[in-house]
Amino acid sequence: EVQLVESGGGLVQPGGSLRLSCAASGFTFSDHYMDWVRQAPGKGLEWVGRNRNKDNSYTTEYAASVKGRFTISRDDSKNSMYLQMNSLKTEDTAVYYCTRGNYDVLDVWGQGTTVTVSS
Amino acid sequence: DIQMTQSPSSLSASVGDRVTITCRASQSITTYLNWYQQKPGKAPEVLIYAASNLQSGVPSRFTGSGSGTDFTLTISSLQPEDFATYYCQQSYRTPPNFGQGTRLDIK
Repeated sequence: EVQLVESGGGLVQPGGSLRLSCAASGFTFSDHYMDWVRQAPGKGLEWVGRNRNKDNSYTTEYAASVKGRFTISRDDSKNSMYLQMNSLKTEDTAVYYCTRGNYDVLDVWGQGTTVTVSS
Repeated sequence: DIQMTQSPSSLSASVGDRVTITCRASQSITTYLNWYQQKPGKAPEVLIYAASNLQSGVPSRFTGSGSGTDFTLTISSLQPEDFATYYCQQSYRTPPNFGQGTRLDIK
């Protein structure tokens, strides 16, 4: 079964850091680019960033709202992707989804992990 | 950045109705347009990719059309399980922005 499972969410104070993980199974992880998408409470979907595969030099791109604060990485040997979030703001409060990119569509989504930034 | 605008933002309909949701891009995205469905408390799921291609396992009552800047998602005969929020997303260029969503409620 193709599956993505996020972990690492929680409550953090403004200015703090958090690292999310995404564990993939059921497919060849190294073949795919992977994205993070988030959804603030009661709001729509917001793309956070992308980590491309080895064939594309593992390049990363970020939304302007998180650039310089968030870093996406992956470990193909562990079939895992990570989102390091620093200098967190209250507006980063959201459910964070790990997604699989497949020919220009996000065709597999994890169940999401909740990040709450509050004092 | 390419901006995506959906209309309407919300819609009430009945089981058996035909429903159309539109999505407009701020510039041409050819057919790099995807549609997702999200039910409350669940992750989104892809319905349509590349404007008009039905994702495997998605019922044929869902159809997508359009190219350039204007796109539509049509549900031919609403079923109870179709009441959800729908998002379009362009994949022509990063950032691959989403529309603001269309909430489809039961009338």
